[in-house]
Amino acid sequence: GNSVTQMEGPVTLSEEAFLTINCTYTATGYPSLFWYVQYPGEGLQLLLKATKADDKGSNKGFEATYRKETTSFHLEKGSVQVSDSAVYFCALSDRIYNQGGKLIFGQGTELSVKP
Amino acid sequence: DAGVIQSPRHEVTEMGQEVTLRCKPISGHDYLFWYRQTMMRGLELLIYFNNNVPIDDSGMPEDRFSAKMPNASFSTLKIQPSEPRDSAVYFCASTRGATNEKLFFGSGTQLSVL
Repeated sequence: GNSVTQMEGPVTLSEEAFLTINCTYTATGYPSLFWYVQYPGEGLQLLLKATKADDKGSNKGFEATYRKETTSFHLEKGSVQVSDSAVYFCALSDRIYNQGGKLIFGQGTELSVKP
Repeated sequence: DAGVIQSPRHEVTEMGQEVTLRCKPISGHDYLFWYRQTMMRGLELLIYFNNNVPIDDSGMPEDRFSAKMPNASFSTLKIQPSEPRDSAVYFCASTRGATNEKLFFGSGTQLSVL
């Protein structure tokens, strides 16, 4: 079945460091891919998305490119801030059954940014 | 818009008791999802509804769990009887349209079963 695998956390970085969080997926068909972010004590929020191969999603300085050849959707940011400390979830949509919004999430990667 | 509203924010109960979690989706959204988050299993989809009708409940762990959506603005997730292994954060999320894949999550209910 469809699945998402993320790099394990926690990831600890200093402010202004470069961030990469790896995400790979297994899917039949052509899923959309997403990154969601969860700040402490809150629900998940959509950070960015890409709907087809080679698309790049971007938001708030974060980027991820849909790579079909490597089945990956790695999240990157050039310079992280303390306010980026959160848990990041990679997800894919199970489109085959046209179930509209049914997302499969990875395990989440906790990011901690130190001043 | 007020967003997806869940209640209570925290629930502490004893094993064997009935627990009811509540969710009010965003007005106009026709899909509603219940997720459970634990350290061991991550974020799991329990059940989702379309236009108040349950579409896929394959993630509901066992018969102790049940979910209803009596109208477009309210849903409940009930656990009866509760067990310590049910302790988790339960999230409700909603979205509009079968092709709209952006989910809006509530703040969750932290459930502790002692």
